Amino acid sequence: DIVLTQSPLSLPVTPGEPASISCRSSQSLLYSNGYNYLDWFLQRPGQSPQLLIYLGSNRASGVPDRFSGSASGTDFTLHISRVEAEDVGVYYCMQALQIPFTFGPGTTVDIK
Amino acid sequence: EVQLVASGGGLVQPGGSLRLSCAGSGFTFSSHWMHWVRQAPGKGLVWVSRINNDGSITGYADSVKGRFTVSRDNAKNTLYLQVNSLRVEDTGVYYCVRERPGAGNNMDFWGKGTTVTVSS
Repeated sequence: DIVLTQSPLSLPVTPGEPASISCRSSQSLLYSNGYNYLDWFLQRPGQSPQLLIYLGSNRASGVPDRFSGSASGTDFTLHISRVEAEDVGVYYCMQALQIPFTFGPGTTVDIK
Repeated sequence: EVQLVASGGGLVQPGGSLRLSCAGSGFTFSSHWMHWVRQAPGKGLVWVSRINNDGSITGYADSVKGRFTVSRDNAKNTLYLQVNSLRVEDTGVYYCVRERPGAGNNMDFWGKGTTVTVSS
């Protein structure tokens, strides 16, 4: 199975400041179509997860443009340009390249 | 408005069974592959199962293979998960998730989940 590791696991943030979360895969997530099969989700407290970024760098519908994703080999990063209070929650990366799909352990973001 | 409403969870003894259902609305259910993802209390997300749009292709996590069966009834816009031989470690919220058509196998919409508690 593909293993995803995230860092940091806890991230206190200041509203208005940038933030980033890293996700490293145990193997390449690059499919033959040229896309990385790596997605990012946010689970706000008490809510179901929502898709933020798909295929490594594509924002899902309705996601604010302060969220972006990048990739370098097996290293992926979720960037938040200016954190807002509503961004608190747990962020998960997930690989959708092969069954079983696997998630990272999650990064908890809260306000300092 | 897209909706996925899961039901069928509850308290069951180890070794017991449940049938989880997920009713979809607000989109063309038969066009989407679907997933089940679970979350143990206070823990992270774990992928459980996947089914293609016509029900002919399924996939399972090793931890549930042979015990869980995913199926769907497109005429009723409903996804199912038959869970048998339940273990304490199967406890958690079970989310029904829609997959976006096209490249990427992306889970683009999550329902609210139904809670399964396995305890004696």
